[in-house]
Amino acid sequence: GAGVSQSPSNKVTEKGKDVELRCDPISGHTALYWYRQSLGQGLEFLIYFQGNSAPDKSGLPSDRFSAERTGGSVSTLTIQRTQQEDSAVYLCASSNPGVGETQYFGPGTRLLVL
Amino acid sequence: AQRVTQPEKLLSVFKGAPVELKCNYSYSGSPELFWYVQYSRQRLQLLLRHISRESIKGFTADLNKGETSFHLKKPFAQEEDSAMYYCALFYGQNFVFGPGTRLSVLP
Repeated sequence: GAGVSQSPSNKVTEKGKDVELRCDPISGHTALYWYRQSLGQGLEFLIYFQGNSAPDKSGLPSDRFSAERTGGSVSTLTIQRTQQEDSAVYLCASSNPGVGETQYFGPGTRLLVL
Repeated sequence: AQRVTQPEKLLSVFKGAPVELKCNYSYSGSPELFWYVQYSRQRLQLLLRHISRESIKGFTADLNKGETSFHLKKPFAQEEDSAMYYCALFYGQNFVFGPGTRLSVLP
């Protein structure tokens, strides 16, 4: 079956522009996670969804970051007024039946802010 | 704050040698711990989780609550084990990943 997919695979943008990253989880997975992986750094947990709800948004780096999930499926991570320090690989993962179970990761979106 | 540390950024061993990737965590409750692996040009994937108490690809990891450790071990490393390894802690509703250790198995 299809795994977690993310789009775009690569995104180059200019500083100050908004970007939207998309994640399609495995069908039926109720939990969805976003992570950021900066060059030479580990995985930084950003946010998770249980269904359409994100109980804790404190992991988002700043108020320029937002995420939503609709229909218990697709999620988008939006970065407004991008900065060069936002350059990273953004990973999405999903799990079933819920949070804490094995996560299946997508291929990531590599974001470069010039 | 809950933390996961992996003291070695890079670990190089020769093929056939034993390997141990260290992981320590800080959490006062009952932890759920995982090892994830990322092979070159592949996605991050689960290697094993402590509640399963299983051996995957010859790797095992034992939770030591006294030492707050969850070290990953394999008695005889293979070249195909070369990858990035991440230790992860799940608590409450959050995941915390360690910084990762790059394992390089030399021929």
